[in-house]
Amino acid sequence: QKEVEQDPGPLSVPEGAIVSLNCTYSNSAFQYFMWYRQYSRKGPELLMYTYSSGNKEDGRFTAQVDKSSKYISLFIRDSQPSDSATYLCAMSGNTGGFKTIFGAGTRLFVKA
Amino acid sequence: NAGVTQTPKFQVLKTGQSMTLQCAQDMNHNSMYWYRQDPGMGLRLIYYSASEGTTDKGEVPDGYNVSRLKKQNFLLGLESAAPSQTSVYFCASSQPGGATYEQYFGPGTRLTVT
Repeated sequence: QKEVEQDPGPLSVPEGAIVSLNCTYSNSAFQYFMWYRQYSRKGPELLMYTYSSGNKEDGRFTAQVDKSSKYISLFIRDSQPSDSATYLCAMSGNTGGFKTIFGAGTRLFVKA
Repeated sequence: NAGVTQTPKFQVLKTGQSMTLQCAQDMNHNSMYWYRQDPGMGLRLIYYSASEGTTDKGEVPDGYNVSRLKKQNFLLGLESAAPSQTSVYFCASSQPGGATYEQYFGPGTRLTVT
């Protein structure tokens, strides 16, 4: 079993829809939970991060962490065609070196 | 600031050939990383370096070697390329410490081994 599981999609939604992206994980030592966005043929860039449990909001983006269920989510409100990208969840913690583990990424298409 | 730069952007190798992928960062970060990205597999850590002169193996180090002689440069070598090493390679850097939550990535090198 992978440490981090993420549905690769693709996920296709109409412009303006609310998008929900999710990851599950197995290692309870993870403390930092990140979402990276990767446009086609580019490197990933950090979108949001959350420490431990709870919610964090940044504009149209909301990140949620439920450590009891080992489940994290990214919500995108009023999705735009420019949100079309691959979204990778990532986690790190005191697992022996604070290495970051990435999910496989979910491809999102927002249709105008 | 250029951030993280990688050369070359594209490369085609024949099985058995060797090459070095270069990475440079201008953010004075101590930590640097090499990942490979394959469809359905996400980013997998090949090697990382916590500081100049130190390197450690990641999840998939076999067939690769690295060098961190200068703080701003991290080199990834393929000693004898194999088709299984066809992938997109990303270099990244970050500040040291427990909160390695933000890694800055380069644009990637697309490598094909025939």
